[in-house]
Amino acid sequence: DGGITQSPKYLFRKEGQNVTLSCEQNLNHDAMYWYRQDPGQGLRLIYYSQIVNDFQKGDIAEGYSVSREKKESFPLTVTSAQKNPTAFYLCASSKGDRLNTEAFFGQGTRLTVV
Amino acid sequence: QKEVEQDPGPLSVPEGAIVSLNCTYSNSAFQYFMWYRQYSRKGPELLMYTYSSGNKEDGRFTAQVDKSSKYISLFIRDSQPSDSATYLCAMKGAQKLVFGQGTRLTINP
Repeated sequence: DGGITQSPKYLFRKEGQNVTLSCEQNLNHDAMYWYRQDPGQGLRLIYYSQIVNDFQKGDIAEGYSVSREKKESFPLTVTSAQKNPTAFYLCASSKGDRLNTEAFFGQGTRLTVV
Repeated sequence: QKEVEQDPGPLSVPEGAIVSLNCTYSNSAFQYFMWYRQYSRKGPELLMYTYSSGNKEDGRFTAQVDKSSKYISLFIRDSQPSDSATYLCAMKGAQKLVFGQGTRLTINP
């Protein structure tokens, strides 16, 4: 089945550690996105990528990094510089062209700092 | 001012009621409009998608877009308890996809 797979589902991080969240899609989509969701705050855009080897900062990129070495993969690293990383992280992808712009989501990774 | 504004609710209605969910936006570059439904601790699922002003119907759901007023709505007819979820509007221009805050909806049996 085609879709977007995020892993792990739950992740625990110690203070000062970097952690990487995985996002893989087999939909042949060009565009991929990372969002952070906090209670009562909706989805906030961290980074997005329209094409391989290119990505742009979203609204809350500080303390995060990404790479897009392959079309199907868009991993997100939460660095120690991110002071409040506990949140629900969602990855999405879309075909990216004008007539197929709707985005589809993975099931999310819940990150907790311990 | 946020690019997309959505009343977070919560909204609670009896089963069978007609529900109206709304978003306003400020960016004229937004051309594509989507509604997502999100159950607790799950990823959002796409409900409806449109890129033109007017109405689009799919079963009990109707999406309405008014580009001149920068206003979009989602109507749910004959609401069911299984419709209880958070509903997110989303909009896209040339590049990034921007979401509203989400409205938490509860349908009471």
